[in-house]
Amino acid sequence: DGGITQSPKYLFRKEGQNVTLSCEQNLNHDAMYWYRQDPGQGLRLIYYSQIVNDFQKGDIAEGYSVSREKKESFPLTVTSAQKNPTAFYLCASSLGQGRGVTGELFFGEGSRLTVL
Amino acid sequence: AQSVTQLDSHVSVSEGTPVLLRCNYSSSYSPSLFWYVQHPNKGLQLLLKYTSAATLVKGINGFEAEFKKSETSFHLTKPSAHMSDAAEYFCVVSESSGNNRLAFGKGNQVVVIP
Repeated sequence: DGGITQSPKYLFRKEGQNVTLSCEQNLNHDAMYWYRQDPGQGLRLIYYSQIVNDFQKGDIAEGYSVSREKKESFPLTVTSAQKNPTAFYLCASSLGQGRGVTGELFFGEGSRLTVL
Repeated sequence: AQSVTQLDSHVSVSEGTPVLLRCNYSSSYSPSLFWYVQHPNKGLQLLLKYTSAATLVKGINGFEAEFKKSETSFHLTKPSAHMSDAAEYFCVVSESSGNNRLAFGKGNQVVVIP
């Protein structure tokens, strides 16, 4: 079945450590996104990528980094520079700009990061 | 830039009674509008979408929403709540300007009382 796979589902990190969250899709989508979700705040965009080898900062990119070396993969690294990294992280994909309906996203099941 | 307002962060309904979740938006361009549902510790799933066709949109699980341009609203309704409807619901707006950016509302947490 086609879909988006995020791993790990739960992750614990000590302060000062970098961690990388994995996101893989087999939907053949061009665009991929990372969102952060905190209680009562909805979803906030961290980074997005419209095409391989290209990505743009979202609204809260500070303390995060991404890469897009393959169409299927869009890993997110939470660096030690992120002051409050404990959150639920969601990866999503879409057909891409000019293809399909902008805004129709397909989501993974999320990764919950807790900083100890 | 586009934005979305969802009032009533927590909504309680009795099983079998109607559900109404309100969404108001602002957009400089012709918007596309979406409702997504999220069950605990899960990703978001698309319930329904409006993309400039029929203003009354039917979605999955008996939900529907009506686009009212004059009121800049896209309220979500269901005639009869089921226990499985307990979840968080997000209204989302996308502009047709091509910037591919979305605005999410802060969500409605729905509790269904048996």
